[in-house]
Amino acid sequence: NAGVTQTPKFQVLKTGQSMTLQCAQDMNHNSMYWYRQDPGMGLRLIYYSASEGTTDKGEVPNGYNVSRLNKREFSLRLESAAPSQTSVYFCASSEHVGLDEQFFGPGTRLTVL
Amino acid sequence: TQLLEQSPQFLSIQEGENLTVYCNSSSVFSSLQWYRQEPGEGPVLLVTVVTGGEVKKLKRLTFQFGDARKDSSLHITAAQPGDTGLYLCAGASYGQNFVFGPGTRLSVLP
Repeated sequence: NAGVTQTPKFQVLKTGQSMTLQCAQDMNHNSMYWYRQDPGMGLRLIYYSASEGTTDKGEVPNGYNVSRLNKREFSLRLESAAPSQTSVYFCASSEHVGLDEQFFGPGTRLTVL
Repeated sequence: TQLLEQSPQFLSIQEGENLTVYCNSSSVFSSLQWYRQEPGEGPVLLVTVVTGGEVKKLKRLTFQFGDARKDSSLHITAAQPGDTGLYLCAGASYGQNFVFGPGTRLSVLP
């Protein structure tokens, strides 16, 4: 089992460009999450999907959109990248929201120039 | 918004020393988790605590959940270089998402 996989691992964008971060899990989990991690600020929730077919905003959703493509896959899209979106992005999955262990992917390091 | 504070922010110690790191909030949590994150990787769960006053041990790591379920501590006995990493606490109220603290960055020198 691969667990949670993310692509790409690294990405450099220019301001205004768009991109999609891909995430897939093979643990048959119901819930999936996108976080960003910035120095000194821990992990902040961008969007989550409690179950297939649903998505909800987290703490910092502005400038992002998500798609829960199926139970396995949850993508994060930046429509018009800004330097403030320079960060490390982590996808995670869990059985249910709010109690279970979250399994994290290896992260995507994004730089917006 | 639930806020979690962690202290200290940074800690550098020699191999063999003991240490305690703290996680505090003004909110009550139904469950609290501790994760360890190594450079270039995602966080990995160490423990989940759900009962006020609960103490859990994982080899040389001892986790305690406060009686009021607002705070937690992680104590490491005889730290080793392999304990180096970022320690994150995360708390959740019933049915809600976990909120993460900013982390304690631990460096254990050989």
